[in-house]
Amino acid sequence: KNEVEQSPQNLTAQEGEFITINCSYSVGISALHWLQQHPGGGIVSLFMLSSGKKKHGRLIATINIQEKHSSLHITASHPRDSAVYICAVSESNQFYFGTGTSLTVIP
Amino acid sequence: KAGVTQTPRYLIKTRGQQVTLSCSPISGHRSVSWYQQTPGQGLQFLFEYFSETQRNKGNFPGRFSGRQFSNSRSEMNVSTLELGDSALYLCASRSTVVDTQYFGPGTRLTVL
Repeated sequence: KNEVEQSPQNLTAQEGEFITINCSYSVGISALHWLQQHPGGGIVSLFMLSSGKKKHGRLIATINIQEKHSSLHITASHPRDSAVYICAVSESNQFYFGTGTSLTVIP
Repeated sequence: KAGVTQTPRYLIKTRGQQVTLSCSPISGHRSVSWYQQTPGQGLQFLFEYFSETQRNKGNFPGRFSGRQFSNSRSEMNVSTLELGDSALYLCASRSTVVDTQYFGPGTRLTVL
């Protein structure tokens, strides 16, 4: 049983498209995190959410606590957005990670 | 400010050996977390240190241990290495002012 489920696993988009990645979780959480990992391993923390919505540039993250669901949106996608996006939740003393969504944006 | 640094970046060991990995957080950050990433299991949380004390711990055997020094630098030790310990080990430091984690580049450990 996975505490965090992401969909889709793989996503290919044309440059300029609007992209949505979904994350569902089954545990009570103190916060939800969206991470970006580029080839070579470097990870960047994009958002930490406990409620509502956050926006940073072309990235928007939302969370619905009642439905235990979060979405990461990318507007006007660009090839440099190609990466693996990982959803993670923190609960008490534990962190749980999704398996990631591999995004490829084609010029 | 310099980012999170990890040394070494690459390491090859044989089964049964032990290994120590080092992580230097961003200056001023007192929290350091360690993660293991493998193709099969994905990212998994190992432990978190704050002000030299282990604050949180994931579900890993006792062969995995860590410590944090007074300057917030942290080390992770794995004893009696197994083939399955081959992974990318990432550390992240966190600011208490802006609650965001900053990840290091990772140490890629290969166990032969």
